[in-house]
Amino acid sequence: DQQVKQNSPSLSVQEGRISILNCDYTNSMFDYFLWYKKYPAEGPTFLISISSIKDKNEDGRFTVFLNKSAKHLSLHIVPSQPGDSAVYFCAASALVIDDKIIFGKGTRLHILP
Amino acid sequence: DSGVTQTPKHLITATGQRVTLRCSPRSGDLSVYWYQQSLDQGLQFLIQYYNGEERAKGNILERFSAQQFPDLHSELNLSSLELGDSALYFCASSPHTGELFFGEGSRLTVL
Repeated sequence: DQQVKQNSPSLSVQEGRISILNCDYTNSMFDYFLWYKKYPAEGPTFLISISSIKDKNEDGRFTVFLNKSAKHLSLHIVPSQPGDSAVYFCAASALVIDDKIIFGKGTRLHILP
Repeated sequence: DSGVTQTPKHLITATGQRVTLRCSPRSGDLSVYWYQQSLDQGLQFLIQYYNGEERAKGNILERFSAQQFPDLHSELNLSSLELGDSALYFCASSPHTGELFFGEGSRLTVL
């Protein structure tokens, strides 16, 4: 049972435009959400997170939006740069229960020149 | 460099064998997580330890076991290996709940 779903395996975006990566979750107990970025032959690296008490968190070019009623979050990258080409993982945790962090399958982002 | 060290980076072994993957967390991090990444399966949570004690368990097979030692390094033991166990195994450490720092992974190939 996939509790964190990233339904788009890949996404191509023109350099300079906005990249929007989507993530859905099924567990209503999730209260903390994270995005990770992964380059080939490297481990995932933390990008940005958001607590369920917020609906938006911004860090430079990266903004995460959370819609609790829809159990949906999205990562916006503006403007997209060539170095953003990577696999992006959405992750979620139910901190009220335990420290388990559940990841989605990832979305491969291609930034086109 | 995340500060998390995993060894070995690559391992090739045969079905039925047993292997041990090792992880050294970042200095000061008490939590260690293990994940398995198979083709098209994303990062599957296996198990988490905090300061030597098992804290959370995921989809870890009975053939797999892990432990965290007093010096906080962790080992993941995989036994009676099957072809389907071929995967990238990631270790991550955390100073607090939420943000994980991942190692580069150990790629296991079972022939």
